[in-house]
Amino acid sequence: ETGVTQSPTHLIKTRGQQVTLRCSSQSGHNTVSWYQQALGQGPQFIFQYYREEENGRGNFPPRFSGLQFPNYSSELNVNALELDDSALYLCASSLALGIQETQYFGPGTRLLVL
Amino acid sequence: KNEVEQSPQNLTAQEGDFITINCSYSVGISALHWLQQHPGGGIVSLFMLSSGKKKHGRLIATINIQEKHSSLHITASHPRDSAVYICAVEGWNQFYFGTGTSLTVIP
Repeated sequence: ETGVTQSPTHLIKTRGQQVTLRCSSQSGHNTVSWYQQALGQGPQFIFQYYREEENGRGNFPPRFSGLQFPNYSSELNVNALELDDSALYLCASSLALGIQETQYFGPGTRLLVL
Repeated sequence: KNEVEQSPQNLTAQEGDFITINCSYSVGISALHWLQQHPGGGIVSLFMLSSGKKKHGRLIATINIQEKHSSLHITASHPRDSAVYICAVEGWNQFYFGTGTSLTVIP
């Protein structure tokens, strides 16, 4: 039990639609990172938010966007869904930025794009 | 070319075996993470290292910054250790993940 929750657990969308995935971090965790994990592959870093601002971004197009809220929750939004967006989306929170911070992962949202 | 390479990709061991999983990386890092992923997707952070060695129960993780290499060791392996073990490195505002090592421990 990491104290990080994600919703929904599963989601089915069609190509071209938009989706919002939600993550609730542990109280006090100012940093949240989002990852995409396609079936059979390792997670890929999407972006990181620190105190409600984007702090780093992986190799994902602008149709992947995020928000972080003062109540330690965050969202991942994906516009114009493509079939290849089908994956497990994971969020992870940590107390702060910095090399000594352990990340706590949520259980993930499994997205299927048809 | 992946920034993080793990070996082996798959590993089958007998209960009680000593297991080593290796991770090499090619980028400058501020920290290296070892993660455990069970079927269904849940990920648990096992270790975060920036130097030296850490031990937690039967798990030991080491890192050699000069050689850009880390190892995860499991002593006295148990079937409940069966999972995918992922090495991830934390660069400057960027994370890179290995593809994972799938471990099966047979009773």
